[in-house]
Amino acid sequence: GAVVSQHPSRVICKSGTSVKIECRSLDFQATTMFWYRQFPKQSLMLMATSNEGSKATYEQGVEKDKFLINHASLTLSTLTVTSAHPEDSSFYICSADRDVDNEQFFGPGTRLTVL
Amino acid sequence: AQKITQTQPGMFVQEKEAVTLDCTYDTSDPSYGLFWYKQPSSGEMIFLIYQGSYDQQNATEGRYSLNFQKARKSANLVISASQLGDSAMYFCAMRDLIQGAQKLVFGQGTRLTINP
Repeated sequence: GAVVSQHPSRVICKSGTSVKIECRSLDFQATTMFWYRQFPKQSLMLMATSNEGSKATYEQGVEKDKFLINHASLTLSTLTVTSAHPEDSSFYICSADRDVDNEQFFGPGTRLTVL
Repeated sequence: AQKITQTQPGMFVQEKEAVTLDCTYDTSDPSYGLFWYKQPSSGEMIFLIYQGSYDQQNATEGRYSLNFQKARKSANLVISASQLGDSAMYFCAMRDLIQGAQKLVFGQGTRLTINP
């Protein structure tokens, strides 16, 4: 089956540092990937749509300068949380939309803790 | 705009009983897909079942079935013969099926607890 990986699975950082999270489709091409954020006991909230070779589309209320997205290849999208603060602590999940049939597959998620 | 509503924040069920998780949706698009995902405490999103808006039959996958009532805009998940391992968060989601990649819109989720 189709596999999407995320790295790292868990990260703890100090306030003010930047953190990069990778989302890879391991066995399929994905022109489009999606980044979600999930706070404890809440649902997944879409942050942005990542498109290979073009700028990401951010949802309303999501700061694009704070959450930098780069979709450099058909199998890799990265989310960089710049100058992270404790309120950015959350569970970040990506999904990749398989080009051949537009079926979406989720990564296992990254738990970010900002001290 | 699309909207998904799950009105049950929590459900408690005895092991081996069947359980129905409610989901209603709202969309003006004629072609859409409805999904159910299970999220255990590990956080991974596990795909359970899918129903297309034009599908004539209700979807079934093992112990999971989707009670699709298009006129009422509901897509309830039925889990038969519940097991302890079914305890998790369950999310209903939908997306457009127009051409190209489309985002998923999620409901608030239902936390299901199976009691022994």
